[in-house]
Amino acid sequence: EAQLVESGGGLVQPGGSLRLSCAASGFTFSNYDMNWVRQAPGKGLEWVSFISTNDYTIEYADSVKGRFTISRDNAENSLYLQMNSLRAEDTALYYCARPRTKGGPHAFDIWGQGTMVTVSS
Amino acid sequence: EIVLTQSPATLSLSPGDRATLSCRASQSVGSFLAWYQHKPGQAPRLLIYDASNRATGIPARFSGSGSGTDFTLTISSLEPEDFAVYYCQQRNNWPPLTFGGGTKVEIK
Repeated sequence: EAQLVESGGGLVQPGGSLRLSCAASGFTFSNYDMNWVRQAPGKGLEWVSFISTNDYTIEYADSVKGRFTISRDNAENSLYLQMNSLRAEDTALYYCARPRTKGGPHAFDIWGQGTMVTVSS
Repeated sequence: EIVLTQSPATLSLSPGDRATLSCRASQSVGSFLAWYQHKPGQAPRLLIYDASNRATGIPARFSGSGSGTDFTLTISSLEPEDFAVYYCQQRNNWPPLTFGGGTKVEIK
């Protein structure tokens, strides 16, 4: 069974940094593009970032561009999100999400349970 | 950026009722629209992809229709487990991938 498990969330002060991880299992991780999606408290879903299978294509939402860096380690079946210069508005539950098929930003059929990031002094 | 507007924001219905949820795009997304169900404390669940294709394991009471800018998710007869928030999402014109603001289906 395909599964994603996020970790690395926590409480951080404004301006601080945090690195999220997403461990994949039950499928060939290297064959799939991957994404991060977040949900702020009481708000809807917001796409954050995309990375292609071979790192060739990387995209970010404007709200995080220049502050967040997505990466992956196919040998370790892991996805990462390095978050720098964190702001209060980055407070959210962060999900990693896998598209339903290979090649591009298809709909997400596998999601993790999320890891909570709280930015507060 | 393509903006997706979902209506209504809240739908108050009883088990057995038919639910009709709308998603309107600010410009054409072709048929590249998906629907998700999201319950508190759970991961979002893909229901429909590419406007009208049910995802694996999704019951037949869920159906999607539409193309271009106007899309509909229909739940033919609500089961107790269907009360949740529903989001649409487009992948036609990106980045960014965008989600609608959600429709909450609540028990009347």
